[in-house]
Amino acid sequence: NAGVTQTPKFRVLKTGQSMTLLCAQDMNHEYMYWYRQDPGMGLRLIHYSVGEGTTAKGEVPDGYNVSRLKKQNFLLGLESAAPSQTSVYFCASSYPRGSGRMGTDTQYFGPGTRLTVL
Amino acid sequence: EDQVTQSPEALRLQEGESSSLNCSYTVSGLRGLFWYRQDPGKGPEFLFTLYSAGEEKEKERLKATLTKKESFLHITAPKPEDSATYLCAVQGGSEKLVFGKGTKLTVNP
Repeated sequence: NAGVTQTPKFRVLKTGQSMTLLCAQDMNHEYMYWYRQDPGMGLRLIHYSVGEGTTAKGEVPDGYNVSRLKKQNFLLGLESAAPSQTSVYFCASSYPRGSGRMGTDTQYFGPGTRLTVL
Repeated sequence: EDQVTQSPEALRLQEGESSSLNCSYTVSGLRGLFWYRQDPGKGPEFLFTLYSAGEEKEKERLKATLTKKESFLHITAPKPEDSATYLCAVQGGSEKLVFGKGTKLTVNP
């Protein structure tokens, strides 16, 4: 049971390049999330998904897109990277509490991807 | 808007010196307060969930408590391996998890 895994672990991009971060979970969780963590800012929600084929915006969604084609995978895309997107990105997953909304159960995090945009 | 403030930003203790970390929050309709531990270069690791005022949970040297306005993470007789950043988060009526900036704990041998 690997839990939540993220690939790649590190990446360096030039301004304007695109890339996709992959998150995979083997806990059969319905909900998945993407966060970014910056010094002095805490964790901030980018996008989230309450189930296969669904996505929704979080606190800081601009410049990112996501897709949830399979229940176990959640992809985060940067179409045209900017230096302001230099950050550590974390994926998380959880069970819902059954409300059909974002859910209140514990979120389990992956190890993170450190992205630098030059 | 839901808000979480953690204090202090950093805390340095000697091994065996007990102390507490504070998490003050404002939230519309608390559905859960979460404590996580984060080691450098790693993802947050879940510690506790508290759901209502008066609730307490313990794990080894850690004990989390909750009131209507704040939560405390008490660390009893800490060891160097307890050194980490401790994160607090709340989930309210909006159902989005809002994190504090964390408290960096260093325990010296």
